[in-house]
Amino acid sequence: GQQVMQIPQYQHVQEGEDFTTYCNSSTTLSNIQWYKQRPGGHPVFLIQLVKSGEVKKQKRLTFQFGEAKKNSSLHITATQTTDVGTYFCAGTSGTYKYIFGTGTRLKVLA
Amino acid sequence: SQTIHQWPATLVQPVGSPLSLECTVEGTSNPNLYWYRQAAGRGLQLLFYSVGIGQISSEVPQNLSASRPQDRQFILSSKKLLLSDSGFYLCAWIGGVSYNEQFFGPGTRLTVL
Repeated sequence: GQQVMQIPQYQHVQEGEDFTTYCNSSTTLSNIQWYKQRPGGHPVFLIQLVKSGEVKKQKRLTFQFGEAKKNSSLHITATQTTDVGTYFCAGTSGTYKYIFGTGTRLKVLA
Repeated sequence: SQTIHQWPATLVQPVGSPLSLECTVEGTSNPNLYWYRQAAGRGLQLLFYSVGIGQISSEVPQNLSASRPQDRQFILSSKKLLLSDSGFYLCAWIGGVSYNEQFFGPGTRLTVL
């Protein structure tokens, strides 16, 4: 079945450093979404990418969808303590079913 | 505005006991509804999804079942809980004008002893 992997599994950074998480799907995706889950909380939608090679920015966050629509990345510039949490990608191949990635847990050291 | 409710927030159940978790959505109609399970420190595993009343798609064969008796109500059940059923159960919906993002409920933390 379809699998979505994320690397790294964990990342500790000093406040102010950059952070990147990568998402790879075993199948071509029609779109990919990114979510953030704070410790003890539920996932919160960040963004959706649909087009091949698409790049979107939200303040310090940059999201990219690969040309083959099988991979994606989230880059955070100059991390802050408020960025702490687990970041998930979720992909669909055009059905109502979304497969979540394994997640990257980010810790930011002040 | 749309809201999603889940209850209970936490639950401790003995092995072999039944389970019923409820999820309701307000402020939208005909949403797609989802049940996910998240083990401690792990990702989200899709359990069931529903595109309409009485329509349930099961993703993982196990001792859980789901039902959608009303448009905005989604129920997760089990006749006999296993230790491996422990986890964080999340309900989510997609629908409305912006038919893309999933909105998650607050979740239910289930511990099976």
